[in-house]
Amino acid sequence: EPEVTQTPSHQVTQMGQEVILRCVPISNHLYFYWYRQILGQKVEFLVSFYNNEISEKSEIFDDQFSVERPDGSNFTLKIRSTKLEDSAMYFCASSPGLLSSYNEQFFGPGTRLTVL
Amino acid sequence: KQEVTQIPAALSVPEGENLVLNCSFTDSAIYNLQWFRQDPGKGLTSLLLIQSSQREQTSGRLNASLDKSSGRSTLYIAASQPGDSATYLCAVFDGYGGATNKLIFGTGTLLAVQP
Repeated sequence: EPEVTQTPSHQVTQMGQEVILRCVPISNHLYFYWYRQILGQKVEFLVSFYNNEISEKSEIFDDQFSVERPDGSNFTLKIRSTKLEDSAMYFCASSPGLLSSYNEQFFGPGTRLTVL
Repeated sequence: KQEVTQIPAALSVPEGENLVLNCSFTDSAIYNLQWFRQDPGKGLTSLLLIQSSQREQTSGRLNASLDKSSGRSTLYIAASQPGDSATYLCAVFDGYGGATNKLIFGTGTLLAVQP
């Protein structure tokens, strides 16, 4: 069964460093998302991406964040200068969009980002 | 602004018991609602999705209902097993179903099924 994959599973970085989190969405899906979950808190929406551009972003998704679909398969989240409060589990998700009446979102296993 | 609440926050039951998890949302104008399971330190596994026009969905021992007008959904788990132990998350689709339909999550219910 197709699934969303994410790499790395765990990333440790120093404050102020840039990190890139990678995702491979399900191949025929059209909509892509990033969410994050700070330990012990709710899963929060960061950004949605469709047709090679951002559709919507939350107030968390400031100028330090960017997303890109550099080729036909990968979807990346870049944090330019990490802060301690960026430590969280980051989830990538994809959905079929108008290919399906349900537009169900499928999530990857997550990347745990630890900022020291 | 849509808010999603889940009660109880934690639940412990003996194996074999039937149980109900509750989810409420403040804005009834949702596109659909999705229930997830999250194991410790792991990703989100989709369990059931209910469209806004539906009243319920079933998958095996799971049954999810939706009452949009009252802003409530329930997840019913029949004949619980220790393997059902996990955090269960409710999430509503905020939007019309297009690219902007972000999921808004509740805080989850931590379920422990005792053997």
